[in-house]
Amino acid sequence: AQSVTQPDIHITVSEGASLELRCNYSYGATPYLFWYVQSPGQGLQLLLKYFSGDTLVQGIKGFEAEFKRSQSSFNLRKPSVHWSDAAEYFCAVGASGYSTLTFGKGTMLLVSP
Amino acid sequence: NAGVTQTPKFQVLKTGQSMTLQCAQDMNHNSMYWYRQDPGMGLRLIYYSASEGTTDKGEVPNGYNVSRLNKREFSLRLESAAPSQTSVYFCASSQNPTGPQPQHFGDGTRLSIL
Repeated sequence: AQSVTQPDIHITVSEGASLELRCNYSYGATPYLFWYVQSPGQGLQLLLKYFSGDTLVQGIKGFEAEFKRSQSSFNLRKPSVHWSDAAEYFCAVGASGYSTLTFGKGTMLLVSP
Repeated sequence: NAGVTQTPKFQVLKTGQSMTLQCAQDMNHNSMYWYRQDPGMGLRLIYYSASEGTTDKGEVPNGYNVSRLNKREFSLRLESAAPSQTSVYFCASSQNPTGPQPQHFGDGTRLSIL
């Protein structure tokens, strides 16, 4: 079975600074990887996904993520954080042949002025 | 474009009461899911329906039942609510029943059990 680890429970970043949120997965074959964002009181919104091909994936709101097979990682990045990016971020992994996803426990991003 | 609609948005129950959470999607998706979200636990899958006419247990199915009423609707029932079921419940849907696809989420139902 696959699993996801998000090592950081909370991260605080200054507005305008760069951001990297870590995600490590465990899965024997090529994974299907996702990043979601959740604003307070809302459901989850898809930021980006990786299925195959180019290991650097662009998403919405200026986010990108890089798949590194050798490190079993799929870290989320943004060059310059805005106050509106404060939210909880979830990494998820899926497996070929199954519709279900396994989610990490999330990283709460706080943005300081 | 409603996407995934969950009702109700908030509910307070007493221990032992029953309750059905409703979910409907208008994207013609094949697969639907119920999750619960608790602080520090992320999202945990309760039940899912890969396609109309099928349902399967997820990670935390105890105390819950589901019904896939038709392609659009997927309900979650608590037969005898317990305080441990206080949580935020999310319904989601996705297109492909045979492979991982992005899931689209509703805004959640906040359920408190006293």
